[in-house]
Amino acid sequence: QVHLVESGGGVVQPGLSLTLSCAASGFSFSSYTIHWIRQAPRKGLEWVAVISHDGNIKFYADSVKDRFAIFRDNSRNTLFLHMNSLRAEDSAVYYCARQRDGAAWYFDSWGQGTLVTVSS
Amino acid sequence: EVVLTQSPATLSLSPGERATLSCRASQSVSSSLAWYQQRPGLAPRLLIYDASNRATGIPGRFSGSGSGADFTLTISGLEPEDFAVYYCQQRSSWVTFGPGTKVEIK
Repeated sequence: QVHLVESGGGVVQPGLSLTLSCAASGFSFSSYTIHWIRQAPRKGLEWVAVISHDGNIKFYADSVKDRFAIFRDNSRNTLFLHMNSLRAEDSAVYYCARQRDGAAWYFDSWGQGTLVTVSS
Repeated sequence: EVVLTQSPATLSLSPGERATLSCRASQSVSSSLAWYQQRPGLAPRLLIYDASNRATGIPGRFSGSGSGADFTLTISGLEPEDFAVYYCQQRSSWVTFGPGTKVEIK
């Protein structure tokens, strides 16, 4: 059974940094492209970043480009999101989501999310 | 950016009734559209991809249709667990999501 578990969220002051993790199990992690998607409180969904199965290809939403970095450790079946220069508008539940095999940019498995609150 | 608009914002129905949800794109996305269900406090779940293909394990009462800029998600016979928020998502030009339609119990 596919399992994705995010961690690392919390309360952080504006301008500071935070790193989120996503631990994967139940599938061949190194074979899949994985995304980060966020949801602000009582708001809709916003795609954040993607990383290819081997970590060589990465893309970011304009809203986080140059501030966030996505990376992965396939030996540990873990995905990361390093967030710098955090702003209030980055406050959200952050989900890692697996890209559906054979159907790029659709998300067939999601973690339960980790909440990031940017506040002084 | 492709903007997705969903209507209605809220749909009030009784169990057993048919639900029809709409998603309209600001430009053609061909058939590159998915639907997700999100129950309170849970992560979204993929229901439909490529406009009309049911994802693995999704019951047959969920169906999707449309192409270009107009899409529909139909739930034929609402079950108690179907009362949730539904989002559409396009992948034709990067990724954007619609604002959601809440299906609530009447």
